[in-house]
Amino acid sequence: AQSVAQPEDQVNVAEGNPLTVKCTYSVSGNPYLFWYVQYPNRGLQFLLKYITGDNLVKGSYGFEAEFNKSQTSFHLKKPSALVSDSALYFCAVRDGATGGFKTIFGAGTRPFVKA
Amino acid sequence: EAGVAQSPRYKIIEKRQSVAFWCNPISGHATLYWYQQILGQGPKLLIQFQNNGVVDDSQLPKDRFSAERLKGVDSTLKIQPAKLEDSAVYLCASSLGSRGGSPQPQHFGDGTRLSIL
Repeated sequence: AQSVAQPEDQVNVAEGNPLTVKCTYSVSGNPYLFWYVQYPNRGLQFLLKYITGDNLVKGSYGFEAEFNKSQTSFHLKKPSALVSDSALYFCAVRDGATGGFKTIFGAGTRPFVKA
Repeated sequence: EAGVAQSPRYKIIEKRQSVAFWCNPISGHATLYWYQQILGQGPKLLIQFQNNGVVDDSQLPKDRFSAERLKGVDSTLKIQPAKLEDSAVYLCASSLGSRGGSPQPQHFGDGTRLSIL
């Protein structure tokens, strides 16, 4: 069965410093991986996805993510964090092997970016 | 393009009452999802439609929850009777499904926040 884990509920970072939000996954076959962001009282917004190809994926708002097959990880990164990046970030995975349609979301990580 | 529309935004009911939520997906999106998001958790899929057919409802508590998408466009999710544990945000999302075997991202509405007293 597919699963996704975000080991940190919150990460603290100073504005201007690099931001990393961690995600690991487990699937039977090839993974389809996504990152979404959620602002207060809003739905989730798509940031980026990995389907195949280059391990480094670039997305919206200056975010990127690195797919690492050997470590089954898909960490979200931003070179220089902004206070406005303080939101809730969800990693999501769908198993490409089973032919199933379900996307599983992690519990979310909240970066606290301090000015 | 217009986003996913959901109503109402907020609903407060007493336990054992019934409630319904409405969702209008992005035009042309064949796939529609209903999620339950409990405070502090990620969204949990309740039901997924492809056009007007159910693809996955394995986590839908069918003794009290029901959903329909009769014409393959908008959808309603109903809870009857509600329990205290149903307090959550109910999110609707839509997507183009898959293109060339590649799953497309989901577009979410702003959700309905349900409080059960």
